[in-house]
Amino acid sequence: QVQLVESGGGVVQPGRSLRLSCATSGFTFSDYGMHWVRQAPGKGLEWVTSIWYDGTNKYYADSVKGRFTISRDNARNTVFLQMNNLRVDDTAVYYCAKDRSLAAEANDYWGQGTLVIVSS
Amino acid sequence: DIVMTQSPDSLAVSLGERATINCKSSQNVLYSSDNKNYLAWYQHKPGQPPKLLLYWASTRESGVPDRFSGSGSGTDFTLTISSLQAEDVAVYYCQQYYTSPYTFGQGTNLEI
Repeated sequence: QVQLVESGGGVVQPGRSLRLSCATSGFTFSDYGMHWVRQAPGKGLEWVTSIWYDGTNKYYADSVKGRFTISRDNARNTVFLQMNNLRVDDTAVYYCAKDRSLAAEANDYWGQGTLVIVSS
Repeated sequence: DIVMTQSPDSLAVSLGERATINCKSSQNVLYSSDNKNYLAWYQHKPGQPPKLLLYWASTRESGVPDRFSGSGSGTDFTLTISSLQAEDVAVYYCQQYYTSPYTFGQGTNLEI
């Protein structure tokens, strides 16, 4: 069955960096787009970034553009989120999600999420 | 950016009754070349990841009960739960995937 497992979350000071990973299994990873979506405490879902099946196209929310980078390793069935210059308002549960298509459509499978806390 | 606005923010419905959640996009999300509405609905329960309910505005994801249905086109969409069950208590979100940024609505909290 399809599985997505995020890792790399934790507590970090403002201005520092963190790298999240999402290891996947149960589907042909290289055939699907992937996404990161976050939920800040007490808030709704916020789309963060997406990457197409082959990594050629990447899209970012304005709130993270220039600070976050999405990438993927199709040989390792893993998608990454490099988060630099973290801010307090980046505190959230970060979900990795699989797309239904090779690009960006609806997200049909989600990981359990990893918590990132940015605090001094 | 396309802004997605859901109404109401919160909704209480009796068991067995119908629940209706609305979602309005600030721009058209109907793609003329394929006549599809680039809109999805998700259910999110505390402590769990979100779950895809519907895509293309009205296509039910595999395994989703048929009491969940979606309708609408262009800028106005509706999620309907025909007969509310206890396990349907959750926050519901619409999301457009017509263009980046792929924005979510603010969510609708559904209670019994």
